[in-house]
Amino acid sequence: DAMVIQNPRYQVTQFGKPVTLSCSQTLNHNVMYWYQQKSSQAPKLLFHYYDKDFNNEADTPDNFQSRRPNTSFCFLDIRSPGLGDAAMYLCATSKERGLEQYFGPGTRLTVT
Amino acid sequence: GENVEQHPSTLSVQEGDSAVIKCTYSDSASNYFPWYKQELGKGPQLIIDIRSNVGEKKDQRIAVTLNKTAKHFSLHITETQPEDSAVYFCAASYNFGNEKLTFGTGTRLTIIP
Repeated sequence: DAMVIQNPRYQVTQFGKPVTLSCSQTLNHNVMYWYQQKSSQAPKLLFHYYDKDFNNEADTPDNFQSRRPNTSFCFLDIRSPGLGDAAMYLCATSKERGLEQYFGPGTRLTVT
Repeated sequence: GENVEQHPSTLSVQEGDSAVIKCTYSDSASNYFPWYKQELGKGPQLIIDIRSNVGEKKDQRIAVTLNKTAKHFSLHITETQPEDSAVYFCAASYNFGNEKLTFGTGTRLTIIP
């Protein structure tokens, strides 16, 4: 089945230790999104790629970076995780901007 | 920017009864309104959506209604089942230069057997 895959599902990192989360998709969608979701809150958009074009949200901290080496893969890099970065990180895709977004299962990040 | 309010924050209904969740949005330019279901520890799942050129859309036990004049839209679930228990999010976006989804704050729906 075509889908959005996130690895790992659970990630534990130490305060200040860089961490990379991975997302892949078999849908061949042009747009890939990264969201942060804290407990009992709605998902918050961090940034998105339209093909290779990177679009950052104005309030996304510089600590968060992203890479999209090809259509299928997108990475979220957190350069120096703080305790406040502990959250569920969700990847989503859509065929085109403005169309339906499909979410992956998420990666739960714990910062110790 | 867009602001989406969602009510209620929690909802408990008896199995077999109907559940209704309501959202209001602030930006009259918004024209796409999806609903997501999120089960514990999982990513949101798109369950139904509606665009502003349609007033109502139905898919089996789930329906969404849109009132553009009042700027509100609602999710209706009929004949609820235990597996409907989850957190439901509404969202809004518009297709002209900014397709960012603005989410509501979520409704925790519990179906009582």
